[in-house]
Amino acid sequence: DTAVSQTPKYLVTQMGNDKSIKCEQNLGHDTMYWYKQDSKKFLKIMFSYNNKELIINETVPNRFSPKSPDKAHLNLHINSLELGDSAVYFCASSQADRAIYYGYTFGSGTRLTVV
Amino acid sequence: AQSVTQPDIHITVSEGASLELRCNYSYGATPYLFWYVQSPGQGLQLLLKYFSGDTLVQGIKGFEAEFKRSQSSFNLRKPSVHWSDAAEYFCAGGSNYKLTFGKGTLLTVNP
Repeated sequence: DTAVSQTPKYLVTQMGNDKSIKCEQNLGHDTMYWYKQDSKKFLKIMFSYNNKELIINETVPNRFSPKSPDKAHLNLHINSLELGDSAVYFCASSQADRAIYYGYTFGSGTRLTVV
Repeated sequence: AQSVTQPDIHITVSEGASLELRCNYSYGATPYLFWYVQSPGQGLQLLLKYFSGDTLVQGIKGFEAEFKRSQSSFNLRKPSVHWSDAAEYFCAGGSNYKLTFGKGTLLTVNP
């Protein structure tokens, strides 16, 4: 019973391609996130959705487009992939009014390699 | 701006030795602070959290952390390290809609 699941776990693709990463949570949380972890392990928030509404967009190139069809799902579509997009992308979820008490639950990550 | 800083990029300890990982925060109001651990190739697991009350918090796997407002610190400690504790450790500061991470401390455990 995975709490936050991401697919695929690994993704290798060529420059210029378009790809999507999917995320689903079964915790009943109302807020979901995408984080990017670079080669130096630095974790930076990209997007935050609360009840399907985008509430944080951290100066991410518009080639990245998140979509939340419902509050249990948050997908990330990336157009025209570039070498610099290679990273591990983590999905996370929380219950917004309790995040400070219970923290955020993370998925196991999607390792994207652009060649 | 709200931020957390982990001054140590890499720490090596011997198995059985004590451990302290440093974290400093910069927040205007009461910070909500967390420690996460990331094992190789894995996601992030919450070790412990602080938001108010007792400044010494206990977490999973025998870890504890102490919040010191006077030093703006939230250091992670463990009295006796096991080889399985080798991992990347992240301090984070949070709000209801955003968690900001430090750059992480890689812990190596020597036999």
